[in-house]
Amino acid sequence: SAVISQKPSRDICQRGTSLTIQCQVDSQVTMMFWYRQQPGQSLTLIATANQGSEATYESGFVIDKFPISRPNLTFSTLTVSNMSPEDSSIYLCSVSTLGTGTYEQYFGPGTRLTVT
Amino acid sequence: ELKVEQNPLFLSMQEGKNYTIYCNYSTTSDRLYWYRQDPGKSLESLFVLLSNGAVKQEGRLMASLDTKARLSTLHITAAVHDLSATYFCAVDNDSNYQLIWGAGTKLIIKP
Repeated sequence: SAVISQKPSRDICQRGTSLTIQCQVDSQVTMMFWYRQQPGQSLTLIATANQGSEATYESGFVIDKFPISRPNLTFSTLTVSNMSPEDSSIYLCSVSTLGTGTYEQYFGPGTRLTVT
Repeated sequence: ELKVEQNPLFLSMQEGKNYTIYCNYSTTSDRLYWYRQDPGKSLESLFVLLSNGAVKQEGRLMASLDTKARLSTLHITAAVHDLSATYFCAVDNDSNYQLIWGAGTKLIIKP
């Protein structure tokens, strides 16, 4: 397993501004994922972030809006740019160690974002 | 299209009762995952099922996998209030390491 921390845990931001969310893992991991979860909804994958390569974005998400960095095997950031109230959500990072022969993911505590 | 369907999506039950949550999937990976999410919290891994006929149990929860039917069940025995949460099933996508998520089942257990 892996222990994951996220910063900030929550924030209230004004529309038009940007927020960078940090995800720190206590061990080196290959795969990191960024999700968005609306209240009462399932998880929506934003992008997959692998160290040493560009993030791979899912349909409906673009790099200009959600730039991602992955400078090493224990850290990643997600920026939510030019925010609007529609970006209000919980943002979760997760990691997959792959070493156990499964794609089991471990999740950070999440960042609750409110855009006013 | 890869799909994971859970039912029911909402379940309210009395303590002491038994119930089952169903998870149907359409992928060919046959590796299935169950997670729990408490209100306002993140997701916690409960079970990883890797082969046909796999059964795992933890306390009052038991998960099983039938890969031929592409069906997993999460059975709750003698429910207690502490099991109130949202339960998600997911299957993996062999080609890109991603998980395909069900919609979640919100479980409320009343004293």
